[in-house]
Amino acid sequence: NAGVTQTPKFQVLKTGQSMTLQCAQDMNHEYMSWYRQDPGMGLRLIHYSVGAGITDQGEVPNGYNVSRSTTEDFPLRLLSAAPSQTSVYFCASSYVGGGGQFFGPGTRLTVL
Amino acid sequence: AQSVTQLGSHVSVSEGALVLLRCNYSSSVPPYLFWYVQYPNQGLQLLLKYTSAATLVKGINGFEAEFKKSETSFHLTKPSAHMSDAAEYFCAVSGSSGANNLFFGTGTRLTVIP
Repeated sequence: NAGVTQTPKFQVLKTGQSMTLQCAQDMNHEYMSWYRQDPGMGLRLIHYSVGAGITDQGEVPNGYNVSRSTTEDFPLRLLSAAPSQTSVYFCASSYVGGGGQFFGPGTRLTVL
Repeated sequence: AQSVTQLGSHVSVSEGALVLLRCNYSSSVPPYLFWYVQYPNQGLQLLLKYTSAATLVKGINGFEAEFKKSETSFHLTKPSAHMSDAAEYFCAVSGSSGANNLFFGTGTRLTVIP
């Protein structure tokens, strides 16, 4: 199993550009989520999904969109990038029931 | 609502010494508690988890943590630090009702001195 994969590993955007961060898992997990990690702030939940077709907002959803058309994939879209979205983004997945999540390797995003 | 406080953003220990990383939680429902480790430029790896069974939880790499409801704590310990333990450690909490969403502390960076 590849586990949780994320692409790209690094990305530089200009303010106002849009992009999609990709996340895929091959463990048949119902639950998937996106977090952002900023220095001194730990990880904060952006959006999550408990199954295909079901998404919901986390702590910091503004400026981000998600969709879940398949069990395997959970892309995160930045519609109009802002410097405040410079961060490291992590995707995670697990079975529904709170047993602990598996994290991907992260995407380091810089917005100029 | 759930939240976590990690005391000490940086902890330094000598190789072979006891490692103690502190975590206190706040939760309106019986919590699930987790410790994750992050090595430089990598994702997070689950060290151990408490999900309302035994209060002393053993994890990978010789780490363990004890759930103390009276103190609302879930401190992480290891009897003897190894150089390879140098990393950042995150405590996290979720609701035991089956909710998966994690609320993380701000992390503790562990330095091991040879």
